[in-house]
Amino acid sequence: DTGVSQDPRHKITKRGQNVTFRCDPISEHNRLYWYRQTLGQGPEFLTYFQNEAQLEKSRLLSNRFSAERPKGSFSTLEIQRTEQGDSAMYLCASSLSDRPNEKLFFGSGTQLSVL
Amino acid sequence: GDSVTQMEGPVTLSEEAFLTINCTYTATGYPSLFWYVQYPGEGLQLLLKATKADDKGSNKGFEATYRKETTSFHLEKGSVQVSDSAVYFCALSDRDSSASKIIFGSGTRLSIRP
Repeated sequence: DTGVSQDPRHKITKRGQNVTFRCDPISEHNRLYWYRQTLGQGPEFLTYFQNEAQLEKSRLLSNRFSAERPKGSFSTLEIQRTEQGDSAMYLCASSLSDRPNEKLFFGSGTQLSVL
Repeated sequence: GDSVTQMEGPVTLSEEAFLTINCTYTATGYPSLFWYVQYPGEGLQLLLKATKADDKGSNKGFEATYRKETTSFHLEKGSVQVSDSAVYFCALSDRDSSASKIIFGSGTRLSIRP
């Protein structure tokens, strides 16, 4: 169990550029979540995958955001035409789907700064 | 929708003091309740959980009891240590969602003085 890993740890970009983040969940976990956390706030749910299927998206996820999990393993989160309001920590978490009330295992996050 | 409200921080205590961090929730069903902790430079991790009314979750000397009548899940520890300095998040699972997603409070920063 190597834990949930996210790449990159930090990303600085200019407004209007596209960025992509990667998440590698714990290998046997088939649920994968993306959350966003801004300073002084708790994580906010963005989207969720069960294997390769994206089953739920938050209203927070505008159409500039897209997430994929093509083979049910790693996931990518892309933000197109970034805005300053997109600056936040983007967290990935994974869990096993067959455990009730399962806990989430979080990665250390990708800190995005949009200049 | 479901939500969590927790005590605003920061909270600063001396070592060996008693800790309470208040948390209340609003939910249409019967959620599971959690406390997650974020130590400096680390990712969020589960501290404890309770899945039904009157359950008590406990871990590392911390405790919280699921109180349905007051919709609360307050975190307590009898004697805090410097190593407990972290941000604590109260959370619930949204059982109405197919994702069973976790909804978090805004977090309470705890600092312990030696």
